Amino acid sequence: EIVLTQSPGTLSLSPGARATLSCRASQSVRSNYLVWYLQKPGQAPRLLIYATSNRATGVPDRFSGSGSETDFTLTISRLEPEDFAMYYCQQYDRSPWTFGHGTKVEIK
Amino acid sequence: QVQVQESGPGLVKPSETLSLTCTVSGGSMNTYYWSWIRQPPGKGLEWIGYIYYSGSTDYNPSLESRVTISGDTSKNQFSLKLRSVTGADTAVYYCARVYTNYSYRYVDVWGTGTTVTVSS
Repeated sequence: EIVLTQSPGTLSLSPGARATLSCRASQSVRSNYLVWYLQKPGQAPRLLIYATSNRATGVPDRFSGSGSETDFTLTISRLEPEDFAMYYCQQYDRSPWTFGHGTKVEIK
Repeated sequence: QVQVQESGPGLVKPSETLSLTCTVSGGSMNTYYWSWIRQPPGKGLEWIGYIYYSGSTDYNPSLESRVTISGDTSKNQFSLKLRSVTGADTAVYYCARVYTNYSYRYVDVWGTGTTVTVSS
């Protein structure tokens, strides 16, 4: 099973700041199969980034993804109030499809 | 626009079977994976398994001995059965559509989620 470790667990930042979220895999993940989701309290997750670096439809360009093999990063260039939420990475490369435990981005 | 919606009992007794159905509307089940994902209170997401439109299935090994996912494309529905439940199975259960092609794979449609509590 591929274990995804997200760090930090919590990121405390001010609106307008830059956020960098990490997702490290226990084994190499093909970049086509690494995804990021955003989840707000009481809501289902929402697709942000697929295939490591492709923004989903309607996702603002302040969100960007990068990485390869075992190290992947989600960057939010300038935090907007609606960006404070939980972020999960997920891999679909090998079964079982696994999620990271999430990074909470909270207002400082 | 395709939507998926979970339905089923919100309360299940310990040792019994949790049964949920996901209804797909606005589109066909063909060419997609259809998945169940759960989220215990205050915790992260856990992939339970999927059924491909062809009928093949795959499950999380941690649940495989207790779970069955089945589908009925004529009704545009797929279902989850989780046997011998305990309090650890209390969670919000999501059904979801997994888009897939030769290059990409991701959940592009999520249900709103249904809360299932395991309690006597």
